[in-house]
Amino acid sequence: EIVMTQSPATLSVSPGERATLSCRASQSVSSNLAWYQQKPGQAPRLLIYGASTRATGIPARFSGSGSGTEFTLTISSLQSEDFAVYYCQQYNNWPPLFTFGPGTKVDIK
Amino acid sequence: EVQLVESGGGLVQPGGSLRLSCAASGFTFSSYWMSWVRQAPGKGLEWVANIKQDGSEKYYVDSVKGRFTISRDNAKNSLYLQMNSLRAEDTAVYYCASWTEGWFDPWGQGTLVTVSS
Repeated sequence: EIVMTQSPATLSVSPGERATLSCRASQSVSSNLAWYQQKPGQAPRLLIYGASTRATGIPARFSGSGSGTEFTLTISSLQSEDFAVYYCQQYNNWPPLFTFGPGTKVDIK
Repeated sequence: EVQLVESGGGLVQPGGSLRLSCAASGFTFSSYWMSWVRQAPGKGLEWVANIKQDGSEKYYVDSVKGRFTISRDNAKNSLYLQMNSLRAEDTAVYYCASWTEGWFDPWGQGTLVTVSS
């Protein structure tokens, strides 16, 4: 099983500031990594796939990078609507036994 | 509009059974792998099960193997999750989601399953 870890667990950021979230895989997942945003009471929303490709309709302030075992989600200038929990997910292995990271909560400083 | 709508959640006693459904619309359901993902109260996301487009391949997280069965009816654009021998730790919001290359998009709004006596 590929184990995903995320850091930090909580990130306190002021509006307009930059946020950098990390995700690590226990073994290489190549670029087969996605990022999701989840707000309270809502389903997760796809932000990034292929480690760095923004999903349809996702603002350019969201960017993803990394490959192998180390990945980063950057929000360049936090807006009020960006305060949420962010999850990474690997989809590298076959058969498809997917795993999520534990999440990073981005809250208002 | 692409839409996934789950139903069938509720309160069930430990050891009981429940069948969840997910109705798909706005896309070619039969062209996509489908999955169930769950989220225990206040916790993170956990992938539960996958089913191939024609139903010929199914995969499960270890914790539900032998107890849960994923299935689909492409004629009805519907996905199902039969859950037997339910445990307290199965309490969660269950989401259905579609994928082709591994990332989940779209997701349904979820249905809450509570296992308690």
